[in-house]
Order: sequence, then structure tokens, then C-alpha cells
Amino acid sequence: GESVGLHLPTLSVQEGDNSIINCAYSNSASDYFIWYKQESGKGPQFIIDIRSNMDKRQGQRVTVLLNKTVKHLSLQIAATQPGDSAVYFCAESSGGYQKVTFGIGTKLQVIP
Amino acid sequence: GAVVSQHPSRVICKSGTSVKIECRSLDFQATTMFWYRQFPKQSLMLMATSNEGSKATYEQGVEKDKFLINHASLTLSTLTVTSAHPEDSSFYICSARDASGGTNEKLFFGSGTQLSVL
Repeated sequence: GESVGLHLPTLSVQEGDNSIINCAYSNSASDYFIWYKQESGKGPQFIIDIRSNMDKRQGQRVTVLLNKTVKHLSLQIAATQPGDSAVYFCAESSGGYQKVTFGIGTKLQVIP
Repeated sequence: GAVVSQHPSRVICKSGTSVKIECRSLDFQATTMFWYRQFPKQSLMLMATSNEGSKATYEQGVEKDKFLINHASLTLSTLTVTSAHPEDSSFYICSARDASGGTNEKLFFGSGTQLSVL
């Protein structure tokens, strides 16, 4: 189903700590998942993606974990920096980028 | 990475007027573009999928006669909000799919348009 318009949850972390942002997706047919970062007044920025045939993928300072059994996705950010402060969205798609549906989003606040 | 240019970034208009928003893929061809709408502190809601040379596919609940989408070329899609009303005030974001990279296919987003209808 489509995500509904709910207010964003907030995660506050100390600079240098690791951050974990969670997302529950709705469509069991989704086979491609993406994490985006959105700064205020800007469009989403691609962070990392993962296909359904994988359960973990690592990038630079970021790791995405996928648990298809419980339809759960997480984004781990290592050594969180003030520049990481933004809203993070998970997104799901089936059959590539035919239609990308966004999750609710989480606001990450990094405390210096 | 690929660049998607969206224009204007901000527009203020009177109720009843129409507003056109442009979305251009600058360094790649996009057969498919997507239009999203975002209210403050909320997620992006897909409005429609724009396919070059054919009619757009609208999501349930989105009025196609109010939100006119034209995708006349492989690098340009436009969204026209017709007879805008205050409830249409929102942040509109376009995205374009770069399908030229095979497994590196990606979706790139414009910087958004903040529409304020008085």
C-alpha cells in the first residue's frame, strides 16, 4: 500500500556515534529498495540501494540491511557527522524504477 | 552523477491561475519521469508517472485534469497545476530515471518547486 502522510519521527544522536534508521515496507512484491537523504528545501539525494536477493550492502560509512521475512529495512551510518543531519527516507520498488514509493521518513539530528 | 534541473524553485501565484513546472534531465535521456508532492514534515507522495510520447499514468486520487503532465521529449517533462487553489500549495518534486546504465540504473531528483497559492 501507499505510505500515509504522518509526521516525521526524530532520531537524535551524538556526533561520532553510529546511527540506525529503521523502515518497515509494505509491499511483499517489492524487489528493490533505496535510501534517500533529503535536506530542507531540496530534493532527495540517493544514498544506497539494495536488491531483494541481498540482505546487506555496504557503502562509504553507510550500510543497508534488508530483512524480507519481516519486511524491514535499516540504514546504519557510522561515525555520524553534523552534515548527516537531514530527513532520511526508505523507498521501495518492484521491477526496477517502474514506480518508487517512499516510506514515512526519519529526521536525523546530530548533536555536536 | 546525472543532473535533473527543476524550474522554478519557488513560485507564488493567485488563486485561479495556472502554474507550469519544468523538469529537465541535463546529461541523460529519460524515457520515464515521476512527479511527487510533499507537504511539510511528510513523505513524498507519487502523483504520476510521465512517459515520453505517451499519456501520463496518474495515481489514485490525483486529478489528471488539474495536474497536467506533458513529456514531449526525452529530456523534458512539465507539470501544470491548473486553476490553482490554496490547498494546492505544496513542494513538488520531479525525478527522472536514467536507464542507460544497465545495472547502474538510478533515479535522480530535481531540487523541487515550492508552490504557494494565495
